[in-house]
Amino acid sequence: QSALTQPASVSGSPGQSITISCTGTSSDVGVYNYVSWYQQHPGKAPKLMIYDVSNRPSGVSNRFSGSKSGNTASLTISGLQAEDEADYYCSSYTSSSTRVFGGGTKLTVL
Amino acid sequence: EVQLLESGGGLVQPGGSLRLSCAASGFTFSSYAMSWVRQAPGKGLEWVSVISGGGGDTKYADSVKGRFTISRDNSKNTLYLQMNSLRAEDTAVYYCAKYRGSGYFWGVDYWGQGTLVTVSS
Repeated sequence: QSALTQPASVSGSPGQSITISCTGTSSDVGVYNYVSWYQQHPGKAPKLMIYDVSNRPSGVSNRFSGSKSGNTASLTISGLQAEDEADYYCSSYTSSSTRVFGGGTKLTVL
Repeated sequence: EVQLLESGGGLVQPGGSLRLSCAASGFTFSSYAMSWVRQAPGKGLEWVSVISGGGGDTKYADSVKGRFTISRDNSKNTLYLQMNSLRAEDTAVYYCAKYRGSGYFWGVDYWGQGTLVTVSS
């Protein structure tokens, strides 16, 4: 199972919006609405930000939103804040009943 | 509050074995699929394995199939990962992870803090 494709890095200024893409195949992202997004600060465990494409767990800011079109899922962060600077990973359920992660995207808040 | 506490990491020689444990609390352990996810130094997350709530079904990444075995003891609320024939490329922080439900499609909602496994001579 190949990793999902994410941009290596994205950046934005405080208050702006950014979008991180996550491209898979017709064996994972394209066929299942089971895409999750995780935030990971340096030296910390990942934290769930979005599940099932567009759902936010309790306690996650509504500045985080998710969507999907075809084989590509997206995470949008609006009103960027300094604390949003972190690595972001997407993950999808696969036709083999396993999970696959994206390579990760480093978000820099300028 | 969900808590996942890994242990058992350390330095091991290539070809050696190691068993990781994960003590879970704060939820009904047997009702959830559980997983191991690893992260090599400076690299991204890699899904390793998952086990069903009852322990009767397991899945593995191709990179560890035949070398690693996931298991659980629901009476002790503990998840395990037996790692054999270890290679340098298995060096990583290993995270214990709880799925959102019993089905494999649910995905991970909680993570432990991780335990470092270093494979080196």
